[in-house]
Amino acid sequence: ETGVTQSPTHLIKTRGQQVTLRCSSQSGHNTVSWYQQALGQGPQFIFQYYREEENGRGNFPPRFSGLQFPNYSSELNVNALELDDSALYLCASRRAGGYQETQYFGPGTRLLVL
Amino acid sequence: KQEVTQIPAALSVPEGENLVLNCSFTDSAIYNLQWFRQDPGKGLTSLLLIQSSQREQTSGRLNASLDKSSGRSTLYIAASQPGDSATYLCAARDNYGQNFVFGPGTRLSVLP
Repeated sequence: ETGVTQSPTHLIKTRGQQVTLRCSSQSGHNTVSWYQQALGQGPQFIFQYYREEENGRGNFPPRFSGLQFPNYSSELNVNALELDDSALYLCASRRAGGYQETQYFGPGTRLLVL
Repeated sequence: KQEVTQIPAALSVPEGENLVLNCSFTDSAIYNLQWFRQDPGKGLTSLLLIQSSQREQTSGRLNASLDKSSGRSTLYIAASQPGDSATYLCAARDNYGQNFVFGPGTRLSVLP
């Protein structure tokens, strides 16, 4: 039991729409990262938030944006959805500054863009 | 830019066999390396994390080793069981970025 939760579990949108995905970090974790995982591939890093500020970003366009709240929950927003955005979206939390900084993942949100 | 590869892409073994999964990374300046398990359509479960200063970590039937100089990590699974069937991913965190770079995974099937 990792304690990281995500909502919704599944989502269907049409091209051009906007979507917001949510993540609740494990208790005591101050860092959250978001990943996109296409079918049959490893997760790709989207961005990371530490203490409510973005402090790392992968090769994703600005229409992918996020927020982290004081209680360390987080949102991923995607505007102008494209068919290629269909994927499993994973969030992961960890406590930065600890010795091992193990990342713990949520179950993911599966997004289908039609 | 860190790149992570895993071989084999898929592996099928009979129950009870010992097996080794391989992970290679291009930039040896890593902070740590983590092995995960992923069941179909699910999130990732952390198995083992190895700090850059460590050579190996063990948990039950699992043993992960790290050789930074050669850019390799291996995950050893002893006495495999059908419940071990899943995709195994390795992820390297480097000293420059704030993220883990994942390999594509090895899909393991353990046959009863």
